[in-house]
Amino acid sequence: EAQVTQNPRYLITVTGKKLTVTCSQNMNHEYMSWYRQDPGLGLRQIYYSMNVEVTDKGDVPEGYKVSRKEKRNFPLILESPSPNQTSLYFCASQGLAGVETQYFGPGTRLLVL
Amino acid sequence: GNSVTQMEGPVTLSEEAFLTINCTYTATGYPSLFWYVQYPGEGLQLLLKATKADDKGSNKGFEATYRKETTSFHLEKGSVQVSDSAVYFCALRPYIIQGAQKLVFGQGTRLTINP
Repeated sequence: EAQVTQNPRYLITVTGKKLTVTCSQNMNHEYMSWYRQDPGLGLRQIYYSMNVEVTDKGDVPEGYKVSRKEKRNFPLILESPSPNQTSLYFCASQGLAGVETQYFGPGTRLLVL
Repeated sequence: GNSVTQMEGPVTLSEEAFLTINCTYTATGYPSLFWYVQYPGEGLQLLLKATKADDKGSNKGFEATYRKETTSFHLEKGSVQVSDSAVYFCALRPYIIQGAQKLVFGQGTRLTINP
């Protein structure tokens, strides 16, 4: 089954404690992306990757890092989380042949105290 | 720049009512347009899409037509069901330059259908 998986699904942490949210896809997609969803703002892109070792900033990259060492994985790293990073996070992946569908993971709900 | 504006929610309807959720966009060039649906506790699923002017996307009884002259992509369904209760997102993908694939989302519209 084609899918994008994220872990953990829920996370409560404290300010300044480094955390990583993992994302993995089994569709051999080149493109992967992280979004955050906040009430009244829809989804906003944090970072994206066009392929292994190729990453770039989206619209709201401050406070986040990513890496793409393998094609299937695209972890999101918060080196020093702050309360304004409390949000719902989605990972997505997509092939690059034509106008393809972007597939989303189930989401990770993060609370930073 | 690129942006998407959706009608304010929440929207509450009775079962079998007619649904319209308005979506207008601003974009340079010729974007592709999408509707995604988010059921409670789940990620986003593609509902339908249209890639050029006058295309009509359809799925599960939902339809939307890409209107370049009015820069709109309104979502419609003739008879809604309780199972359609979800948050609906309109999105655009700008004309692809150098492989960029970013989706630009509207703020989402929460739909509740009462039996």
